[in-house]
Amino acid sequence: GENVEQHPSTLSVQEGDSAVIKCTYSDSASNYFPWYKQELGKGPQLIIDIRSNVGEKKDQRIAVTLNKTAKHFSLHITETQPEDSAVYFCAASSTGGFKTIFGAGTRLFVKA
Amino acid sequence: DAGITQSPRHKVTETGTPVTLRCHQTENHRYMYWYRQDPGHGLRLIHYSYGVKDTDKGEVSDGYSVSRSKTEDFLLTLESATSSQTSVYFCAISEGHSGNTIYFGEGSWLTVV
Repeated sequence: GENVEQHPSTLSVQEGDSAVIKCTYSDSASNYFPWYKQELGKGPQLIIDIRSNVGEKKDQRIAVTLNKTAKHFSLHITETQPEDSAVYFCAASSTGGFKTIFGAGTRLFVKA
Repeated sequence: DAGITQSPRHKVTETGTPVTLRCHQTENHRYMYWYRQDPGHGLRLIHYSYGVKDTDKGEVSDGYSVSRSKTEDFLLTLESATSSQTSVYFCAISEGHSGNTIYFGEGSWLTVV
């Protein structure tokens, strides 16, 4: 079945360093790839997304890259800050929003 | 924040009792979803709705039912709660179904003892 694998499950970085989270997907029909940040006790919030017609998108310290051939996409956070500490989820969606498949999540720790 | 309100936010219930979680949205979005979140499993879709009285199953629908009598309200019912249904439940909405962003509520923490 359709699947999204996310790595690593836990990531610890020093403040100011970069963090990279990687996802692979199985459904070649996937064309929308959102990333969510979930803080403790809250619901996931969209932080950036990318569609299949572009290879990279940036928003300040956050960037997402997409390789459709390899079915990989990644989240890059530069100049990490303690407030970046959270759980991050990748997801892949095809023609229906109800077919959005989520990765298992990455817990990011940013040490001050 | 998307206008999604979940209630109750926290509940402890006994095995075998019925439980209903409520989701209310103010965005007039057509699609509504119920997910559960468990360690190591990410977010898994329980049921979704694509309109009033129009619902369908997700990947983990056993033991759950849903109803949507109004655009703004989506109810999730556990007919007879079991310990395996201890989880965090998230309601979500989206405007459309073609690669549209899903917006999540704040979650409902359910413990079945």
